[in-house]
Amino acid sequence: GESVGLHLPTLSVQEGDNSIINCAYSNSASDYFIWYKQESGKGPQFIIDIRSNMDKRQGQRVTVLLNKTVKHLSLQIAATQPGDSAVYFCAETPYNQGGKLIFGQGTELSVKP
Amino acid sequence: ETGVTQSPTHLIKTRGQQVTLRCSSQSGHNTVSWYQQALGQGPQFIFQYYREEENGRGNFPPRFSGLQFPNYSSELNVNALELDDSALYLCATGQHNSPLHFGNGTRLTVT
Repeated sequence: GESVGLHLPTLSVQEGDNSIINCAYSNSASDYFIWYKQESGKGPQFIIDIRSNMDKRQGQRVTVLLNKTVKHLSLQIAATQPGDSAVYFCAETPYNQGGKLIFGQGTELSVKP
Repeated sequence: ETGVTQSPTHLIKTRGQQVTLRCSSQSGHNTVSWYQQALGQGPQFIFQYYREEENGRGNFPPRFSGLQFPNYSSELNVNALELDDSALYLCATGQHNSPLHFGNGTRLTVT
């Protein structure tokens, strides 16, 4: 069945370095992708999204890259800060499935000072 | 702040009981979705409501039901609770074709 998975369950980076979190998806019909950040005891927080007609989108310190050929999504965080420590989820929405978001298991990002 | 409020924040129920979880959001968010998140897992889609009608359902049995009210608040009802229903239940709201914004969830424990 369809699934969204992450290549690495944990990622540890030094403060100030750039972080890259990867995600693979399997549903070719998906046309909308979102990255969420979830801190302990809180709900997922929207970071950035991208539609399938784009391959790159930039926000404040974050960039999302979409490679539809290999069904791969990545989140790049520039100058990672301790406040970026959290679990990051990618999610996809298959076209015409009522707004259903399919989440991966998440990558835990740990930022060392 | 996402403007999505869920209540209660924590709840303990006994197997076989019924539970109602509530969600409210800022005005204009006419889409509401509910998700179940088990410990260490990503959220799993339960169902979505748009303009008070169910608009998509995940792989959950009929004992999971919902409502959306004219003021866009919403309820998730779970009947005949099972131990495996213990999880964080998340409500997410938004406008059509815009990203969903999540509340902080209700932690349900079934004993």
